[in-house]
Amino acid sequence: GAVVSQHPSWVICKSGTSVKIECRSLDFQATTMFWYRQFPKQSLMLMATSNEGSKATYEQGVEKDKFLINHASLTLSTLTVTSAHPEDSSFYICSALEEAGGPNEQYFGPGTRLTVT
Amino acid sequence: GQNIDQPTEMTATEGAIVQINCTYQTSGFNGLFWYQQHAGEAPTFLSYNVLDGLEEKGRFSSFLSRSKGYSYLLLKELQMKDSASYLCAALDSNYQLIWGAGTKLIIKP
Repeated sequence: GAVVSQHPSWVICKSGTSVKIECRSLDFQATTMFWYRQFPKQSLMLMATSNEGSKATYEQGVEKDKFLINHASLTLSTLTVTSAHPEDSSFYICSALEEAGGPNEQYFGPGTRLTVT
Repeated sequence: GQNIDQPTEMTATEGAIVQINCTYQTSGFNGLFWYQQHAGEAPTFLSYNVLDGLEEKGRFSSFLSRSKGYSYLLLKELQMKDSASYLCAALDSNYQLIWGAGTKLIIKP
């Protein structure tokens, strides 16, 4: 099956610094990638939809200047958490939609656990 | 508004059968997903239903009734490794996934 990777799998950073998370589709092309955030014991919350070659679409309440998304190629999307604060500590998960697939061809990365101290 | 409801937690015994229910209200409907998520890991795909009826896949089956806005995931011959959260998610008219909060399934020996 299709594989999506995320890097890093976990990261600890100091408050005020920026962190970049990469999401790669390893064996397929993904025109669309999604970025989710999940707090403990809560559901996945969609942050933004990332389309290759265009600006990301952010969900209501998600600061686009704080969570910078770049989808420069059909296999790579990046999420940069700028000026991170402890409340940004969370589990960040990306998923990729296979270009030629139907609605069920969405594959999740393993997630990145961010801890801001 | 759009909403997904599923029980917060369920407990079952190893070897038994458990049914996890999910009701949904969405703007349009393009199918319903079930995912399994172990603690600290990303969700993994279990099933996708877009037509009414039961889809069986090994020990797991998923049912959908579009007229009732209802789905269930049926797990048979429960194993300890089935202890996880099970997420129900509906695809709305914009092909956006609307997620439930997940049902934590606890399996006891």
